[in-house]
Amino acid sequence: GAVVSQHPSRVICKSGTSVKIECRSLDFQATTMFWYRQFPKQSLMLMATSNEGSKATYEQGVEKDKFLINHASLTLSTLTVTSAHPEDSSFYICSARDGRADGYTFGSGTRLTVV
Amino acid sequence: QKEVEQNSGPLSVPEGAIASLNCTYSDRVSQSFFWYRQYSGKSPELIMSIYSNGDKEDGRFTAQLNKASQYVSLLIRDSQPSDSATYLCAGSYNFNKFYFGSGTKLNVKP
Repeated sequence: GAVVSQHPSRVICKSGTSVKIECRSLDFQATTMFWYRQFPKQSLMLMATSNEGSKATYEQGVEKDKFLINHASLTLSTLTVTSAHPEDSSFYICSARDGRADGYTFGSGTRLTVV
Repeated sequence: QKEVEQNSGPLSVPEGAIASLNCTYSDRVSQSFFWYRQYSGKSPELIMSIYSNGDKEDGRFTAQLNKASQYVSLLIRDSQPSDSATYLCAGSYNFNKFYFGSGTKLNVKP
């Protein structure tokens, strides 16, 4: 079945630094990937839609200059949290759809802690 | 109105009982519906999808869709403690965007 790999699974960084999260579709090509954020005991919030070869589409209220998305190939999208602050600490999850499969497949998520 | 709405629960059922999870949706997500299960600290995993009115069964799970009333439900038969998780309802229109409900926490008591 469709597999989406996300790396790293956990990261702790200092306030003011940047963190890059990678999302790879391992056995299929994904022209579109999605990035979500989930705070404790809350639902998944769609942050942005990552489009291969073009600019990402951000949801209302998400700062595009703070959450940089790059989708340079059909199997890789990256999310960079720039100048991270403690309030950016969250669970970040990517997803993609394999046209052969049903629904969307999620990566394993990245637990970001900013100290 | 949010695109997808769920009761946050928790819903507690005894082992072996039927758990019924419900979700309502707006016109913006009227085409495809999905139920995901999420264990604490993990990412969601797909349980079932449903696109047409009526019931769809897969093992102990049955998804029900009623487009006239704009609700979708998930029934879990013979509930097991391992079914204890948060269940997320999701809707999509043309797979362009995928909206999740807030999730219903299910506790299955041994």
